[in-house]
Amino acid sequence: QKEVEQNSGPLSVPEGAIASLNCTYSDRGSQSFFWYRQYSGKSPELIMSIYSNGDKEDGRFTAQLNKASQYVSLLIRDSQPSDSATYLCAVLPSSGGSYIPTFGRGTSLIVHP
Amino acid sequence: NAGVTQTPKFQVLKTGQSMTLQCAQDMNHNSMYWYRQDPGMGLRLIYYSASEGTTDKGEVPNGYNVSRLNKREFSLRLESAAPSQTSVYFCASSVPGQETPFFGQGTRLTVV
Repeated sequence: QKEVEQNSGPLSVPEGAIASLNCTYSDRGSQSFFWYRQYSGKSPELIMSIYSNGDKEDGRFTAQLNKASQYVSLLIRDSQPSDSATYLCAVLPSSGGSYIPTFGRGTSLIVHP
Repeated sequence: NAGVTQTPKFQVLKTGQSMTLQCAQDMNHNSMYWYRQDPGMGLRLIYYSASEGTTDKGEVPNGYNVSRLNKREFSLRLESAAPSQTSVYFCASSVPGQETPFFGQGTRLTVV
């Protein structure tokens, strides 16, 4: 059973701080990793994808991948109250012809003024 | 470009009633998915369709049926609704192996 684990939170950070969201996965051969943001009552929205070890930056967001440790993270710099949402980690499997992603249960982030 | 469109957005059913949730995508994606999302449970895959004419069970298929009507449309049917099927249902689509799914806006279903 392929698993994706996230701390459910809530993670509470002050406005302007760095929020760090973490995700671990069990399928060692996984190649593709994604972060979704989901506002309350809304659908998940893809915000970052990462495929290679290291960091990928997009504006205030940085995704970090460490395949050896089976660990992917999302950093949000200069956090804003509008970043308050649930963040879902998704992992695409490595093989078997299936392209069905496995989702974590999400981490709730609260950014307080 | 509407993306993934679901209808209806809200629905209340009585136990034992049937209904069909509709989903259509205009992105020419081959793969389509139905998920349900419950508090504390995350997204759980009900059924998926890798391409037109094929459907496969996901993690929680019991009580549901699906139809991939054509490349654009993928419907989810509840034949005899139960309170345990109260949930938010999301349809999604993707190009297999290239992208992770894009989601529709969701259907909030309550079974009383």
